[in-house]
Amino acid sequence: KAGVTQTPRYLIKTRGQQVTLSCSPISGHRSVSWYQQTPGQGLQFLFEYFSETQRNKGNFPGRFSGRQFSNSRSEMNVSTLELGDSALYLCASSLAGASARETQYFGPGTRLLVL
Amino acid sequence: AQSVAQPEDQVNVAEGNPLTVKCTYSVSGNPYLFWYVQYPNRGLQFLLKYITGDNLVKGSYGFEAEFNKSQTSFHLKKPSALVSDSALYFCAVRPSTDSWGKLQFGAGTQVVVTP
Repeated sequence: KAGVTQTPRYLIKTRGQQVTLSCSPISGHRSVSWYQQTPGQGLQFLFEYFSETQRNKGNFPGRFSGRQFSNSRSEMNVSTLELGDSALYLCASSLAGASARETQYFGPGTRLLVL
Repeated sequence: AQSVAQPEDQVNVAEGNPLTVKCTYSVSGNPYLFWYVQYPNRGLQFLLKYITGDNLVKGSYGFEAEFNKSQTSFHLKKPSALVSDSALYFCAVRPSTDSWGKLQFGAGTQVVVTP
């Protein structure tokens, strides 16, 4: 079974631009979560989607948004990019997210550099 | 609020020696605990998790972890380290009442295994 895939793998943008990252979960997985990883803040939860609905959100400004499609694929969007948005963005999928005991499986990440 | 502490930024061990990576947690209610490993320029790979039952959990690649409720710890162990175990290790926690994404990660511990 194929793992979680994320595109693109690398991205360079300039301040003020916007960016869209894509995540395809493991086949059959319906819950998708997004995390930001930076050297200073570590791994931080952005949001989680299930059945095209955002069920949980971390403490990030409104510039960070996401959505999920009917095939469970998810996108996240960051508008008005700031230098501090440079990070590795990780997507994780799980079966249904219906239980805290479910394992989340991570993709390889998208490395975003904002200049 | 839940939190995870990994008290060591880096652990150095010689190949063939036992490896221990420490993790302590704070969570309301019963914790679900996870260990992930991250290799350079890669996403997180799941190693093992504690849900309930036996305090000693066995996982992938010869790793195991011991859950200690009284000490609120979940240390990762490997009896004989390999050079290929050199990577960044993350401990994560979710309270049993939280079912919608949001793994809370520790800061990570860099493991260096020398030949």
